[in-house]
Amino acid sequence: KAGVTQTPRYLIKTRGQQVTLSCSPISGHRSVSWYQQTPGQGLQFLFEYFSETQRNKGNFPGRFSGRQFSNSRSEMNVSTLELGDSALYLCASMGFGGRAESSYNEQFFGPGTRLTVL
Amino acid sequence: DAKTTQPTSMDCAEGRAANLPCNHSTISGNEYVYWYRQIHSQGPQYIIHGLKNNETNEMASLIITEDRKSSTLILPHATLRDTAVYYCIVRESNSGYALNFGKGTSLLVTP
Repeated sequence: KAGVTQTPRYLIKTRGQQVTLSCSPISGHRSVSWYQQTPGQGLQFLFEYFSETQRNKGNFPGRFSGRQFSNSRSEMNVSTLELGDSALYLCASMGFGGRAESSYNEQFFGPGTRLTVL
Repeated sequence: DAKTTQPTSMDCAEGRAANLPCNHSTISGNEYVYWYRQIHSQGPQYIIHGLKNNETNEMASLIITEDRKSSTLILPHATLRDTAVYYCIVRESNSGYALNFGKGTSLLVTP
């Protein structure tokens, strides 16, 4: 089974631009979560989508948005980029239900997209 | 989610058991303990999770104290490939799937 894929793997943008990152979850997984990882703040949760609906949202400004398509693929968008948005953006998928009682309730992470804002 | 406290870093000799502690003194009855690890330049990887009983899988063992206020992740025979940052996470089963990773423990396995 193919793992979580993220594109692009590396991206360089300038301040003020916008960027769209893509995530394809493991086949059959319906939940997709996004995380931002920086040296200073560590791994922080951005948002989670399940069946095309945002189910949870972290504490990030409105410049960060996302969506999920009917095939469970997800995109996140960052508008008006700032230098502090430079980070590794990770996507994770989880199988249907994902109940904690299930022994398979883990999130599978992709390799991430490294975004550099100049 | 309950807050967790982990040592910043630990060393372990290759072939020996690595015991990574985690304190979660404010854990509530319906919160699980999860462990993930992140090898450099990769996405985090699930290791194991538990509620109150000790758990074991092919990667590790999880020992949870009877009062559930702390736990220990055990890698029975650490290898160089186990060098990574290990995250202990506590969360409710129905609080959505946001993981609060915290700072984790940087484990260095030495030859």
